[in-house]
Formats: sequence, C-alpha cells, structure tokens
Amino acid sequence: QKEVEQDPGPLSVPEGAIVSLNCTYSNSAFQYFMWYRQYSRKGPELLMYTYSSGNKEDGRFTAQVDKSSKYISLFIRDSQPSDSATYLCAMSGAGGTSYGKLTFGQGTILTVHP
Amino acid sequence: DAGVTQSPTHLIKTRGQQVTLRCSPKSGHDTVSWYQQALGQGPQFIFQYYEEEERQRGNFPDRFSGHQFPNYSSELNVNALLLGDSALYLCASSLTAGTRTDTQYFGPGTRLTVL
Repeated sequence: QKEVEQDPGPLSVPEGAIVSLNCTYSNSAFQYFMWYRQYSRKGPELLMYTYSSGNKEDGRFTAQVDKSSKYISLFIRDSQPSDSATYLCAMSGAGGTSYGKLTFGQGTILTVHP
Repeated sequence: DAGVTQSPTHLIKTRGQQVTLRCSPKSGHDTVSWYQQALGQGPQFIFQYYEEEERQRGNFPDRFSGHQFPNYSSELNVNALLLGDSALYLCASSLTAGTRTDTQYFGPGTRLTVL
C-alpha cells in the first residue's frame, strides 16, 4: 500500500465549476501538507501549504486537512481553462529526521473545458 | 529573483552509459533535493543535500549519486543507465533552519530518455 493515495482521474469539468481534489494517507507522522500544480512537461508549482489540521484559503483555492481521517482536499472555485493541469498532493513530517522530504500522490489530471 | 534552474532540459542516453544532471537553487536557499518522476506518476524522493553532504536518501540504488558545491548548486549522477531510468528528474530547493527544512520549490526538470 502506498503511503499517499490519490485518484489519478482524469477529471473533466465545465468552466465555472467547483473542483474537489482529494488524497488519503497512512503515515500519521505527516504534519505538513502541500498541493502542487504541474503543467505538461513542466516542474511542479507550489499552490497551497498547510500545517496540521484545518482550512486555508487563497483566492479561488481552499485547502483542507483532516488529520483524524488522514484526508486532505483542495477545492477550486470558479474553475478556468487555465486550471487544466495535473494536481499533486504532497506531505512531509515535522522536523527531526524528516528534513522536509516530500511524499507525493500519483497526481490527478484535471481538464476544465470552456 | 531567479528560481530553481536545471540543465540540460532534455537528454538522450543509451543503456549502460552515465549521466550528470545539474541544478542551481533559488537565491537564499541552501538545501537541494532530487526527485524522479516517471510518466503518469508523482515524483519520488531520491536524496537531499545540505552543507555539501547527503543528508537523507530515498529507496534508490547506489547507481544514483550526487554532490553539492559550496555555492549550494548540486549534481545528480546516474551510472549504468537502465531503460527504467527514463523519467523527468526534478530538483527542488529549500532553506534549512535548525531541524526544520522549509517548503520546497521545484525547477523545470531534466527529461532523460534511455534507449
């Protein structure tokens, strides 16, 4: 079993829709949770960064972390064709010997069509 | 402010050859991590360099080695290339403060094809 599970999709939605992306994980040592966006043949770009449980909002993006359920989500409101990309969840432990090593999900391919 | 840069962009090698990939971290960052991303998969951690030493290593064979220079730039070397080494190799830089390493920022990657 992988430490981080993410549905690869693909997910196709109309412009303006609310998109929900999710990951589950098994390692309770994870304390930092990130969402990266990756366009085709490019490097991942950091979208959201959260510590422990709770919600964080940034413009059209909202990240949620539920550590009790080992479940994280990214919501995209008013989705745009430019949001079409692969979305990767990533996690790391807290300090100690973790040193920020990231464990990624497989990535979800999202297409927003006009 | 330049972000993370990597060279070369693309590389084609044959089985058994050796390859060296290069990375310059974002200004102000002192820690470099390398990841391998196979097609359709998420990146997998190879190793991390800090203060010119390998600080942590993922589940990769010894054919994968690296180096960090005094200016914090880094190299990834892969010996005896296999077909399965074909992937996008990503470099990520970050800043270490005490026991905590801050969030990582990725470069555009080097796409390696092994024939």
